[in-house]
Amino acid sequence: QVQLVESGGGLVKPGGSLRLSCAASGFSFSDYYMNWIRQAPAKGLEWVSFISKSGTTIYYADSVKGRFTISRDNAKNSLYLQMNSLRAEDTAVYYCAKSLDPLFPYDAFDVWGRGTVVTVSS
Amino acid sequence: DFQLTQSPSFLSASVGDRVTITCRASQGISTYLAWYQQKPRKAPKLLIYAASTLQSGVPSRFRGSGSGTEFTLTISSLQPEDFATYYCQQLNSYPPGAFGQGTMVEIK
Repeated sequence: QVQLVESGGGLVKPGGSLRLSCAASGFSFSDYYMNWIRQAPAKGLEWVSFISKSGTTIYYADSVKGRFTISRDNAKNSLYLQMNSLRAEDTAVYYCAKSLDPLFPYDAFDVWGRGTVVTVSS
Repeated sequence: DFQLTQSPSFLSASVGDRVTITCRASQGISTYLAWYQQKPRKAPKLLIYAASTLQSGVPSRFRGSGSGTEFTLTISSLQPEDFATYYCQQLNSYPPGAFGQGTMVEIK
């Protein structure tokens, strides 16, 4: 079945780094746009980053621009989020999500992973 | 800056009630809007995309409508499993995936 599984979360000190991974299965990963979304404790959803099918078009939320880097490896069916200079306010559950239609870059997210928890604290 | 504003932020309703949630965009986004349902400790679930298209497998009691700057999600007869938080998401302007702040639907 279509599935996304995130990994790589954990506890990190302010200023530290983490690399999140998202393993895709059950669909042709290279045909779909992908996104990262996060949710801070008891808060709403915040879109974090977008990457095109080939990886050539990338967008970031202003809150993470210059600190986070999204990438993908279509040969490994995997999406990544490199997070540097982490702050307490980056503490959240991080989800990867697949766009619904392979033809539309800014489409709804029809498949989500279960999320991975990132905690930034000293 | 582009903004999506949901209302209400919280609503209390009973099983069988008709419930309406509104999402207003600060600029026109045609029908580039989606609705999600999220239950505690679970990932969001896509309910509606393109403002009014029901995602496969979603019960027909969920209905989306609107275009431009005003959108609504209506649940025609609230069921016990519908108590959750609902989010709208715009899919037009940058940032391409911005969400509304959410509407929590609780049992009265």
